[in-house]
Amino acid sequence: GQQLNQSPQSMFIQEGEDVSMNCTSSSIFNTWLWYKQDPGEGPVLLIALYKAGELTSNGRLTAQFGITRKDSFLNISASIPSDVGIYFCAGQRKTSYDKVIFGPGTSLSVIP
Amino acid sequence: EAGVAQSPRYKIIEKRQSVAFWCNPISGHATLYWYQQILGQGPKLLIQFQNNGVVDDSQLPKDRFSAERLKGVDSTLKIQPAKLEDSAVYLCASSFGVNYGYTFGSGTRLTVV
Repeated sequence: GQQLNQSPQSMFIQEGEDVSMNCTSSSIFNTWLWYKQDPGEGPVLLIALYKAGELTSNGRLTAQFGITRKDSFLNISASIPSDVGIYFCAGQRKTSYDKVIFGPGTSLSVIP
Repeated sequence: EAGVAQSPRYKIIEKRQSVAFWCNPISGHATLYWYQQILGQGPKLLIQFQNNGVVDDSQLPKDRFSAERLKGVDSTLKIQPAKLEDSAVYLCASSFGVNYGYTFGSGTRLTVV
């Protein structure tokens, strides 16, 4: 079945540092989504990407839809303690009713 | 705007027992999803409803899992009988439609012992 891979699996950074994480797939996706999940809560949508090559920002977050349609990247600039959590990428294929598939997540820890 | 409501927040049951989870989506959201999230993994879609009809239940273990959304609003997910491997967080999400981003509830954490 379709699978998404995320790297790194986990990361520990100092407050103020920039963060980069990525998501890859063997299949082409029409939509890429990035979510953040805090402990004990459901995932919250951060950024949605709908077009190959698209670069979208949301505050300190920037995400890109890869040209090949098989990958996406998320960058966080000037990290702060509240950025701690698990970041999931998710992809949706061509048809409107295709299910959204989630990656395994990247766990981010920020050291004050 | 009220979010997606789920209950209970936590449930501990013995294997072979039955359990039910409830979800109240955001008002006006036609599409409702149930996801299973095993510890350390991303959410996996179990079933997707459009109003009160099932759009996708291809990953729902139908021998033990069932879900309904009779009036196109609230939904229940049932497991009967539960197995140890069903221990997970069960997330409900809703959206206006399949092309819109959706909102997750806080989930129900199920532990099967």
